[in-house]
Amino acid sequence: SQTIHQWPATLVQPVGSPLSLECTVEGTSNPNLYWYRQAAGRGLQLLFYSVGIGQISSEVPQNLSASRPQDRQFILSSKKLLLSDSGFYLCAWRVVAGAEQFFGPGTRLTVL
Amino acid sequence: AQSVTQLDSHVSVSEGTPVLLRCNYSSSYSPSLFWYVQHPNKGLQLLLKYTSAATLVKGINGFEAEFKKSETSFHLTKPSAHMSDAAEYFCVVSPPGGSYIPTFGRGTSLIVHP
Repeated sequence: SQTIHQWPATLVQPVGSPLSLECTVEGTSNPNLYWYRQAAGRGLQLLFYSVGIGQISSEVPQNLSASRPQDRQFILSSKKLLLSDSGFYLCAWRVVAGAEQFFGPGTRLTVL
Repeated sequence: AQSVTQLDSHVSVSEGTPVLLRCNYSSSYSPSLFWYVQHPNKGLQLLLKYTSAATLVKGINGFEAEFKKSETSFHLTKPSAHMSDAAEYFCVVSPPGGSYIPTFGRGTSLIVHP
């Protein structure tokens, strides 16, 4: 069966510090991968998606970046965090376009 | 182009009474439609999906939804609410293959009173 992992589960970082969030998927090959952010009390904002290794599409201009160094690994990064980067970050995957997505447990990021 | 409108930001029910969460969609194609549930500080869990088969879709935990093309709606229902149903619910529309971006509604918070 397929599983998706995210870590860390929670993170508290000072403004201006770097960020690296990792997402890995097991039990499937060549998934579509997604990063979402959810601000407090709000809906989901799509940040990045990837249809293959090294292929990243950005949906929202910001100080975040994403990379996909391996087929089932998706990394969200920042060189310098802003207060507005606080939120709940969710990774998701799906087999093909149009199919349902499966979500990871999320990372709660607090920037102070 | 596609869009999703969840008509209520909050729905409040008493335990044991029916639940109705409303979702309207707009799509240039025959879409796939989904409902997800999110409990606090958790990831989203798929409740059910419609992918052009039966218009009445049954999901987990007693939820079901009916696809009505003429009304462009995909409302989520449950006959009897349980306290554990209190959560955020998202309606999602996804075009068929070739587009990688699903569109999420803004969410409906379901409050269940004892």
